[in-house]
Amino acid sequence: LAKTTQPISMDSYEGQEVNITCSHNNIATNDYITWYQQFPSQGPRFIIQGYKTKVTNEVASLFIPADRKSSTLSLPRVSLSDTAVYYCLVGAGSGGYQKVTFGTGTKLQVIP
Amino acid sequence: EPEVTQTPSHQVTQMGQEVILRCVPISNHLYFYWYRQILGQKVEFLVSFYNNEISEKSEIFDDQFSVERPDGSNFTLKIRSTKLEDSAMYFCASRPTSGLANTDTQYFGPGTRLTVL
Repeated sequence: LAKTTQPISMDSYEGQEVNITCSHNNIATNDYITWYQQFPSQGPRFIIQGYKTKVTNEVASLFIPADRKSSTLSLPRVSLSDTAVYYCLVGAGSGGYQKVTFGTGTKLQVIP
Repeated sequence: EPEVTQTPSHQVTQMGQEVILRCVPISNHLYFYWYRQILGQKVEFLVSFYNNEISEKSEIFDDQFSVERPDGSNFTLKIRSTKLEDSAMYFCASRPTSGLANTDTQYFGPGTRLTVL
């Protein structure tokens, strides 16, 4: 499994764009990059997934440079309800049943 | 939007008692998982289940733990004799079948908070 490194915590004011960068220097050719969000006392929630370049959905954007050794989750105009832990995960690409391995994530605190 | 559901939301038990945590995965999903999260710590993988058998388990998942899919909709985690250190949030997850075998898109339930006294 490719190891990921992301900031332990970040603070942001409401209405600002937040970018959380994750490093994954040992990413394998067939690995995908996936981000999850977890609110206190709730299960992790899938946000976005990508392989290369840029992916956008109704919640976030994911930017992946050509070398794929890092990725950036971008949350536009955050609100207080975006306060959560955000996890960056890189898949082992070994099979359909593979587990998800969570790191410590980035704790985002949105300030009014 | 379909969701993974879990019952109960909170279970309190005495040390040494058996508990069964229940999950209803999203229908048509074929891969099922249990994870746990001790308060303030990381989400940890316990076990994955596919085609009516365990496909992978962690070292946490010892002989005290078992999983079962008793019918076409439920997926259960049994802890035979609970210990104080089993107190945690337990999350069930399921994964849709996909031609993209390398994706990690698992859908998590809301969790069951297990408190062992």
